[in-house]
Amino acid sequence: DTGVSQDPRHKITKRGQNVTFRCDPISEHNRLYWYRQTLGQGPEFLTYFQNEAQLEKSRLLSDRFSAERPKGSFSTLEIQRTEQGDSAMYLCASSARQGPYEQYFGPGTRLTVT
Amino acid sequence: SQQGEEDPQALSIQEGENATMNCSYKTSINNLQWYRQNSGRGLVHLILIRSNEREKHSGRLRVTLDTSKKSSSLLITASRAADTASYFCATALDGGATNKLIFGTGTLLAVQP
Repeated sequence: DTGVSQDPRHKITKRGQNVTFRCDPISEHNRLYWYRQTLGQGPEFLTYFQNEAQLEKSRLLSDRFSAERPKGSFSTLEIQRTEQGDSAMYLCASSARQGPYEQYFGPGTRLTVT
Repeated sequence: SQQGEEDPQALSIQEGENATMNCSYKTSINNLQWYRQNSGRGLVHLILIRSNEREKHSGRLRVTLDTSKKSSSLLITASRAADTASYFCATALDGGATNKLIFGTGTLLAVQP
């Protein structure tokens, strides 16, 4: 399967701990997105990479959040000093270099902060 | 924040019936996309309609777009139990360089066998 993969699929952590999620996009896609989805809501945009450059960050992405995409391949999203409000599904998506830019989503990482 | 809202929030129909969902949005768009999300699973892209298009078909799906009313509808014909899912519309803003998507609140569709 050459779709978007995310790891881990589930993460339970205690408040105050740091967590890191990984996303592997479709190999030929140079655009990569992170979204967050809470129960009963649609996904909300967090950040965007074009190749290795992080070109946009949402105001939702507080100082405790950092994302990287070294070498323009996989991406990581780290949350430091987790809070209960960080509990959500974290979704990664990728899209191709050329339009019309439909996005292909991974299965997500469900984070529970206790 | 969400771009807009979807209507209805929940819809229950019998297998074989048609399902129609509506989406409203707030700002000028480059394109509008519909996604399906099954319980506990990721989002699956269904169809994309550009701002200069009015209607598009894909299999049992029909999407319309009215940019003057800032609204779109998704019609699923001859529904099946496997169509049970949440459906989201998502807009890519006009002039946006990133093509980030802004999602609606979703419609929960239940198709009864």
